[in-house]
Amino acid sequence: NAGVTQTPKFRILKIGQSMTLQCTQDMNHNYMYWYRQDPGMGLKLIYYSVGAGITDKGEVPNGYNVSRSTTEDFPLRLELAAPSQTSVYFCASSPSPGNGEQYFGPGTRLTVT
Amino acid sequence: AQSVTQLDSQVPVFEEAPVELRCNYSSSVSVYLFWYVQYPNQGLQLLLKYLSGSTLVKGINGFEAEFNKSQTSFHLRKPSVHISDTAEYFCAAGGGTYKYIFGTGTRLKVLA
Repeated sequence: NAGVTQTPKFRILKIGQSMTLQCTQDMNHNYMYWYRQDPGMGLKLIYYSVGAGITDKGEVPNGYNVSRSTTEDFPLRLELAAPSQTSVYFCASSPSPGNGEQYFGPGTRLTVT
Repeated sequence: AQSVTQLDSQVPVFEEAPVELRCNYSSSVSVYLFWYVQYPNQGLQLLLKYLSGSTLVKGINGFEAEFNKSQTSFHLRKPSVHISDTAEYFCAAGGGTYKYIFGTGTRLKVLA
């Protein structure tokens, strides 16, 4: 049982490049989330999904896109990377909305230069 | 709207001393409260959670927290800390929506 896996662990992008951060969970959770973590700022929600085919914006969605074609996968797409997107990105899943534990992946550390 | 405030950004404490990490929340709806721990270069893992029932919640690694509705607080405590407790701790709130709100984190530094 792997839980939540994320790839890659580290990535350096040049300004204007694009990339996809992968997230997979094997717990059959309907709810999945993408957060970014900046020093001293805690976690900010980028996008979330309540099931396959259903996604919605969080607090800081600008510059990102998501899709959810299966229960297991929830990739995050960065288009036209900017230095402001330098951050650590965490994917999480949950079995219940709002009142259940979230299970986090190990994170992707992204630097945009 | 929900918000979560962690009053201390850093807490240094000597090994074997007690510690309290403070968390206050604001919400006009039912709230579920969580404490997560993040060790360096790792994801977050759940320490404990309050959903309902007893206001004193016990978690892993000897941590406990008390839900205080009148003071809208959910402070985390441990009677005796170890070096291995050095980490960042996040308070979070959920309930009413699909989303969770996280505090800005408290960095606990245990000194030898």
